[in-house]
Amino acid sequence: AQTVTQSQPEMSVQEAETVTLSCTYDTSESDYYLFWYKQPPSRQMILVIRQEAYKQQNATENRFSVNFQKAAKSFSLKISDSQLGDAAMYFCAYRRNTGNQFYFGTGTSLTVIP
Amino acid sequence: SAVISQKPSRDICQRGTSLTIQCQVDSQVTMMFWYRQQPGQSLTLIATANQGSEATYESGFVIDKFPISRPNLTFSTLTVSNMSPEDSSIYLCSAALRAGYNEQFFGPGTRLTVL
Repeated sequence: AQTVTQSQPEMSVQEAETVTLSCTYDTSESDYYLFWYKQPPSRQMILVIRQEAYKQQNATENRFSVNFQKAAKSFSLKISDSQLGDAAMYFCAYRRNTGNQFYFGTGTSLTVIP
Repeated sequence: SAVISQKPSRDICQRGTSLTIQCQVDSQVTMMFWYRQQPGQSLTLIATANQGSEATYESGFVIDKFPISRPNLTFSTLTVSNMSPEDSSIYLCSAALRAGYNEQFFGPGTRLTVL
């Protein structure tokens, strides 16, 4: 079974600084998708960024970028120039290429300090 | 993309009663899902809501406890039956535009407290 591990239950970052959230996963598949979702206090899950496993290039979305290490099964999220609105719970998720089910990690609660 | 709404946003229920949660999508979607998020924990998939047929349940979840309806391509309901305090959780509806689509859109969730 696929498992997704987020080893940092809580993280904090100073406003305008950079923070990296860790995620590792376990799979025997070679083709899959990885995601980072953000869940603010409003509970609305928002897709932050996604990575296709067959792509070597790391995905980037504005201030958000990933470090995808396929051999190490690692998928970290870097948030640059952190803003107060980035404060939220961040979930790493995995989906097989041929399936619909998402497997979520336990989440990392990010606090942004003004 | 798809915008998803859920009703109710929260409820407090008595043990032994049932609650039906509604999920409405603003566009037709192929796939709809129901997740449970227990306090301080991650999301766990309960079932895939199939239009026109019975839902597909994940291990540990059964139809008698969590009956699901999917009458059309934009709407689904999840009922939490014969509730106990252990059912206190956030229930989230999500949707994917089509099978294999690599993004799921989520509703705001329903916070359920069972006394």
